[in-house]
Amino acid sequence: AQKVTQAQTEISVVEKEDVTLDCVYETRDTTYYLFWYKQPPSGELVFLIRRNSFDEQNEISGRYSWNFQKSTSSFNFTITASQVVDSAVYFCALTGNTGNQFYFGTGTSLTVIP
Amino acid sequence: DTGVSQDPRHKITKRGQNVTFRCDPISEHNRLYWYRQTLGQGPEFLTYFQNEAQLEKSRLLSDRFSAERPKGSFSTLEIQRTEQGDSAMYLCASGAGTHALEQFFGPGTRLTVL
Repeated sequence: AQKVTQAQTEISVVEKEDVTLDCVYETRDTTYYLFWYKQPPSGELVFLIRRNSFDEQNEISGRYSWNFQKSTSSFNFTITASQVVDSAVYFCALTGNTGNQFYFGTGTSLTVIP
Repeated sequence: DTGVSQDPRHKITKRGQNVTFRCDPISEHNRLYWYRQTLGQGPEFLTYFQNEAQLEKSRLLSDRFSAERPKGSFSTLEIQRTEQGDSAMYLCASGAGTHALEQFFGPGTRLTVL
């Protein structure tokens, strides 16, 4: 079975603090892809990053970084020096090799307090 | 605007009525997905098209739901005999190629069944 778990329902941080959003996944596929999406208050989901199961290199993009660990089936997302504009719901998602079906977690609502 | 568009943005209907939603993907995107999202939840996969072929359909999807993608361009999602439990945001996403797998989401159609 394919499943994504985001145990953190809501997180509040003060601006400029670092915050890590957790994502744990389950899959029997040997080839799979993991994603993070941002859903701001306006509602439209925005793609942030894709990772395939063969590439465990961590990735950094500006204030965003991602830590993929197959050993713990986790794909965590860290925002450094958070800003008010980072306030949104963040979803982690999983798909297999074909990309025919995607599984989303329940999301983590992040509030950055000025 | 070259993003994914959905029409209508809002739909209010009475229980038992049929409704149809339209999705126009990004031009030349061969992959098209429909999702349903309820408050506080992540997008729930409904169905997937590659060009005009419907390749995947959620096993949880009621027979009252049907989707089409004639000519591999726009897609429609129809719900027959709507029920109050169908009230949700219906999201469409499109993607290009077979390896990238990123999806670009539309703004959604919010359905309210009275």
